[in-house]
Amino acid sequence: NAGVTQTPKFRVLKTGQSMTLLCAQDMNHEYMYWYRQDPGMGLRLIHYSVGEGTTAKGEVPDGYNVSRLKKQNFLLGLESAAPSQTSVYFCASIPARRSSGNTIYFGEGSWLTVV
Amino acid sequence: GQNIDQPTEMTATEGAIVQINCTYQTSGFNGLFWYQQHAGEAPTFLSYNVLDGLEEKGRFSSFLSRSKGYSYLLLKELQMKDSASYLCAVRDTSSGTYKYIFGTGTRLKVLA
Repeated sequence: NAGVTQTPKFRVLKTGQSMTLLCAQDMNHEYMYWYRQDPGMGLRLIHYSVGEGTTAKGEVPDGYNVSRLKKQNFLLGLESAAPSQTSVYFCASIPARRSSGNTIYFGEGSWLTVV
Repeated sequence: GQNIDQPTEMTATEGAIVQINCTYQTSGFNGLFWYQQHAGEAPTFLSYNVLDGLEEKGRFSSFLSRSKGYSYLLLKELQMKDSASYLCAVRDTSSGTYKYIFGTGTRLKVLA
């Protein structure tokens, strides 16, 4: 029972490089989210998706792009990485709104360092 | 706007009781959640409140007052393994969708 899987788990990037974080869930969830977590800042929402083919901005979207081409996958892209994007990234998902359970399901996190 | 406040750090003794408070302001309140997060790990679900009152789950209880925008997490019979960060989160539907807004977390240290 995989749940929410994030790849890669660790990555070091040079400033200006690009990369994509992949989030995959096997629970047929409608909603998917990308958060970043920094010391003293808590979890901040970057982008989210309410279904296949749809995405929306969260509170800190600048410097990131996302895509939801397949329902089970939510990709987070960094086009030109900056040191300020050094963070831990968490993906999360929930079922459809009407049948939403009592919690969101988190992936294990992706540690990204930009040097 | 949306705002969630909780203390940054708390310290308690093994076997004791600790209460972690959370206040929130949101225009589309649709539930309050508490998560536990150990260092280097993902948050794990502890409790959920959508109506006023107390929800009890073993050593953990959570209280909600919607009129006051206030919640607390109560941890009883503290154990060393309870040393972790505790995140308060509000589910907000003001945008027409479900968004989960997190506080900055309270780092709890349990001392022997």
